[in-house]
Amino acid sequence: SQQGEEDPQALSIQEGENATMNCSYKTSINNLQWYRQNSGRGLVHLILIRSNEREKHSGRLRVTLDTSKKSSSLLITASRAADTASYFCATDALLTQGGSEKLVFGKGTKLTVNP
Amino acid sequence: DTGVSQDPRHKITKRGQNVTFRCDPISEHNRLYWYRQTLGQGPEFLTYFQNEAQLEKSRLLSDRFSAERPKGSFSTLEIQRTEQGDSAMYLCASSLTGSVGELFFGSGTQLSVL
Repeated sequence: SQQGEEDPQALSIQEGENATMNCSYKTSINNLQWYRQNSGRGLVHLILIRSNEREKHSGRLRVTLDTSKKSSSLLITASRAADTASYFCATDALLTQGGSEKLVFGKGTKLTVNP
Repeated sequence: DTGVSQDPRHKITKRGQNVTFRCDPISEHNRLYWYRQTLGQGPEFLTYFQNEAQLEKSRLLSDRFSAERPKGSFSTLEIQRTEQGDSAMYLCASSLTGSVGELFFGSGTQLSVL
């Protein structure tokens, strides 16, 4: 089963605009990660945010985490055509709540950045 | 060592045949994961190893699927008596031991069952 659910399923924007993707999850977590996948390829790790963190930045990426709402958002600023890809959130549930040491992925948001 | 490698990249087989995929993780990584991904979906967990020990296997995985990591290095995933529903991208990932951190993924093996 997939714990994370991304929203929207698809997003199309113009180059230079910001892109915001949201992720909701169901159980308490250790950390939440975001990955990117170009068509037909493997996933690439973007950023990890721990359950005791609220915001994290990496280059043009900004991730927020709200554990009370069980949600996270990924913001890509000043988007480029090369950012076109699918983006997935992934969580690992707390071992004390029946989780295990694996990542559970959402269904992803397909981002298209038009030049 | 440049990353996780998977072989083959593509596999076309007929229904009922057996197939085997190989994954070579990053050399110092103790953990190795197998995921399956169908079009428009996120990766679905299949199983994972710590060194040579298989620590968890998805309940969704039928008995036709088996994975090994005999010496704690490369891993193989075998599917017996393939069915059309097995058509998917099979992804391998590795990581260092410890709390679940960054996974490093291979490019995957795309399986098509005719």
